[in-house]
Amino acid sequence: ETGVTQTPRHLVMGMTNKKSLKCEQHLGHNAMYWYKQSAKKPLELMFVYNFKEQTENNSVPSRFSPECPNSSHLFLHLHTLQPEDSALYLCASSQSSLAVANTGELFFGEGSRLTVL
Amino acid sequence: AQSVTQLGSHVSVSEGALVLLRCNYSSSVPPYLFWYVQYPNQGLQLLLKYTSAATLVKGINGFEAEFKKSETSFHLTKPSAHMSDAAEYFCAVRNQAGTALIFGKGTTLSVSS
Repeated sequence: ETGVTQTPRHLVMGMTNKKSLKCEQHLGHNAMYWYKQSAKKPLELMFVYNFKEQTENNSVPSRFSPECPNSSHLFLHLHTLQPEDSALYLCASSQSSLAVANTGELFFGEGSRLTVL
Repeated sequence: AQSVTQLGSHVSVSEGALVLLRCNYSSSVPPYLFWYVQYPNQGLQLLLKYTSAATLVKGINGFEAEFKKSETSFHLTKPSAHMSDAAEYFCAVRNQAGTALIFGKGTTLSVSS
């Protein structure tokens, strides 16, 4: 399997549920990212991990908790979400976070569409 | 802080017509600029990038973009639209730390026959 794979593709949850989004990359990259894509708004950078270490947290509420156990896997743990958190969550990877400066080559997964009821 | 503004959330063209998608940027450092495309139910894919070399950049699928510092613009063009070009297009700028990309709101391109 190649590229960036996200599961689940669709998720519906209540505000009191706890769920997780998973991202896996098979590209041998060392940096991984979470972006949030809401209708009519720019993609919002949420978190950046470089060599398993979190290097950026873009003022994301604590109800979103990322985890990066190794360079190939990235999780987004969700709890007590709000309806306004409904969005498409995109995972991306790059060779390293500094490599973004040179190539701009972010490889995206197809996203996990989250609906919070 | 770095940012991009995409003018026009929706652009409609006829097949064979010129495609022009507008992007203006704001950057406190020399900008690195990118265009990405998102087809329905897919992730984003890099179309082209400007990294301070040639100001006219050619990308995939016949798209190109010109960096104009005086106008702080990086507009995307294609001489002749094809039905398969219908998608959402995102302009992006490298963040100040150089570690991630900041995206615009996107422009949806519709192509009619």
